[in-house]
Amino acid sequence: DSGVTQTPKHLITATGQRVTLRCSPRSGDLSVYWYQQSLDQGLQFLIHYYNGEERAKGNILERFSAQQFPDLHSELNLSSLELGDSALYFCASSVDGPPTGEQYFGPGTRLTVT
Amino acid sequence: KNEVEQSPQNLTAQEGEFITINCSYSVGISALHWLQQHPGGGIVSLFMLSSGKKKHGRLIATINIQEKHSSLHITASHPRDSAVYICAVSTLSNTGNQFYFGTGTSLTVIP
Repeated sequence: DSGVTQTPKHLITATGQRVTLRCSPRSGDLSVYWYQQSLDQGLQFLIHYYNGEERAKGNILERFSAQQFPDLHSELNLSSLELGDSALYFCASSVDGPPTGEQYFGPGTRLTVT
Repeated sequence: KNEVEQSPQNLTAQEGEFITINCSYSVGISALHWLQQHPGGGIVSLFMLSSGKKKHGRLIATINIQEKHSSLHITASHPRDSAVYICAVSTLSNTGNQFYFGTGTSLTVIP
């Protein structure tokens, strides 16, 4: 158990819908990272927050947004869902930001868009 | 273009064998990560390194910054080592630290 929690574990929804994925970092960790893992694209970095502020954006679509709250938990919002958004979404946390922060991964949320 | 290349894609070994997985990258990095992903999907960070060599138990990771190459070695492999091993690099860009991932090496260790 990494200490990082993600909810829900599984999510099935229809195209065009909006969902919110939640991540709680390890106690004391200030950084949260979001990643997407799909069969055709592999793992991709989406976004990084540090202590409530956005620090880096990767391959995050405009239909996706994220935020980190004062209690340091983070949410990833996915809207206007498409079939291609079906994937495993991981969050990870670290004590500080890269490059020094070793990351601890949550168990992931499996999103299926039908 | 793939910033991170791994080889081999698939690897089958007999229990007890010494295993090497290779990772080459094409960008300047601030750190390189080796990750392990088990069939259930969970990801564990094995190593984070920016120079030299690190060892945890039977696992050894090395990096050569000049050659932009890293290797992950598993000594005395065991069936429980069966997993996908993923190399990732973090690199500083004008949009912050970016992370790039290899496509993974699927390792099967046969008893």
